[in-house]
Amino acid sequence: QVQLVESGGGVVQPGRSLRLSCAASGFTLSSYGMHWVRQAPGKGLEWVADIWADGIKIYYADSVEGRFTISRDKSKNTLSLQMNSLRAEDTAVYYCARDMSHYAFDYWGQGTLVTVSS
Amino acid sequence: QSALTQAASVSGSPGQSITISCTGTSSDVGGYNYVSWYQQHPGKAPKLLIYEVYNRPSGVPDRFSGSKSGNTASLTISGLQAEDEADYYCSSSTSGNTDVFGGGTKLTVL
Repeated sequence: QVQLVESGGGVVQPGRSLRLSCAASGFTLSSYGMHWVRQAPGKGLEWVADIWADGIKIYYADSVEGRFTISRDKSKNTLSLQMNSLRAEDTAVYYCARDMSHYAFDYWGQGTLVTVSS
Repeated sequence: QSALTQAASVSGSPGQSITISCTGTSSDVGGYNYVSWYQQHPGKAPKLLIYEVYNRPSGVPDRFSGSKSGNTASLTISGLQAEDEADYYCSSSTSGNTDVFGGGTKLTVL
C-alpha cells in the first residue's frame, strides 16, 4: 500500500541547515507531483514547495524561496527538502504529500518536527 | 500567497448539517476549479475529503460535499457525527503555480 515516511527532523540553531527526507513505498514517486506542507505548533497548514512529475517544474512559497530546495531521488524513491538559513518561524511539523490531481494531496506522511531554537 | 479565509470555528449537533466557507480571490479559488478540503484530527496528518471543488476520493462518505461560487468555496457536512469533530482546511491552486491553504476551521460537535 502507499506509504510516505518522513525523517530528518530535530532541533537546530537559527541560521543552520537541515535536510528532510520522505521515503515513498507502494508507488513510484517520480510519477507524481510531490509536495512539502508544514504546520507550526497550534497553527494551520502552510504549503511549502512542490516538484512536478516531470521533475523540472519546481515552486516554492515566498516564505522559503531562496532558502529551501526540494529534490527527489528516483533510484531511492525519496523526496528531500534541504533547508538552509533556518529561522525560528520555520519551526513546524513538516509533511510530505502526494499530488493526485491539481494540488489535491491524497497521501500524507506522519510528519517530522523541526524546531529552530538557540 | 495570502491564506484563504475561513471561520475559526463552527459547531453543530449530531444529525445536523453545517457548512464551512473558504474565501479567496480570482487568483486562486475564483480562478480555478482546484479547491480541496482536508480533515485533520489532533496529532494526525490531514485527510483529503474533497478535490476539484466537489469530487470525493473513494472511501469518503457522501455526507461530505463541496461547492463553489465565485471566490468562495464551501464544504457541507450533513448528518453530523461525533467523529466529525476535527479541524477542516480548504486549499486552492493559485495563478503562481503554488498552493494556498485556508486558516482552518475547528468543528465542534455538541
